Amino acid sequence: AQSVTQLDSHVSVSEGTPVLLRCNYSSSYSPSLFWYVQHPNKGLQLLLKYTSAATLVKGINGFEAEFKKSETSFHLTKPSAHMSDAAEYFCVVSDRNAGGTSYGKLTFGQGTILTVHP
Amino acid sequence: KAGVTQTPRYLIKTRGQQVTLSCSPISGHRSVSWYQQTPGQGLQFLFEYFSETQRNKGNFPGRFSGRQFSNSRSEMNVSTLELGDSALYLCASSLEGPQYFGPGTRLLVL
Repeated sequence: AQSVTQLDSHVSVSEGTPVLLRCNYSSSYSPSLFWYVQHPNKGLQLLLKYTSAATLVKGINGFEAEFKKSETSFHLTKPSAHMSDAAEYFCVVSDRNAGGTSYGKLTFGQGTILTVHP
Repeated sequence: KAGVTQTPRYLIKTRGQQVTLSCSPISGHRSVSWYQQTPGQGLQFLFEYFSETQRNKGNFPGRFSGRQFSNSRSEMNVSTLELGDSALYLCASSLEGPQYFGPGTRLLVL
């Protein structure tokens, strides 16, 4: 069974400082991993995805994540936070079966609320 | 390309009633998944439909059901509503890759 643990429920940073949101995962097969962001009263927006190509994944709005199989981690980073980054972030895993097909069942972490101070 | 659309956006029902929510996927996407989001339980998978067939199912009671039409549009139905069904219901579509989410339907059960 697949699972995701986001290690921090809240992260607070100052504008212009780096962001680190931590995520560990558990998966039976080779997983697909994603980060989504949710702004208040909005749906979920895909930030980036890992699907067994490069282990360092670049996403939108300057976000990156690195897949580390030995540590079962997929932490999200950004060099310099912006006020507009304030939102809730979800680390998500989707198991692929032995044939490599990714099915439509996503397992979400509990979310990390990012606060950005001026 | 238009994104995922969900109707209605807001809904108020009373206990015991039933409700139907609708989701129109991105054009060309054949997979539609549904999720429930609550403050206590977070985001939980309800079910996934692909080519009009339920392909995956989460751990929800039988009061929660869904279907998909030949044009890939999907509906989910909740019968005999309970207070605990109050939530944001999110629909997502995909082309066997990342899922793209709609804005959600916020259901309040009184």
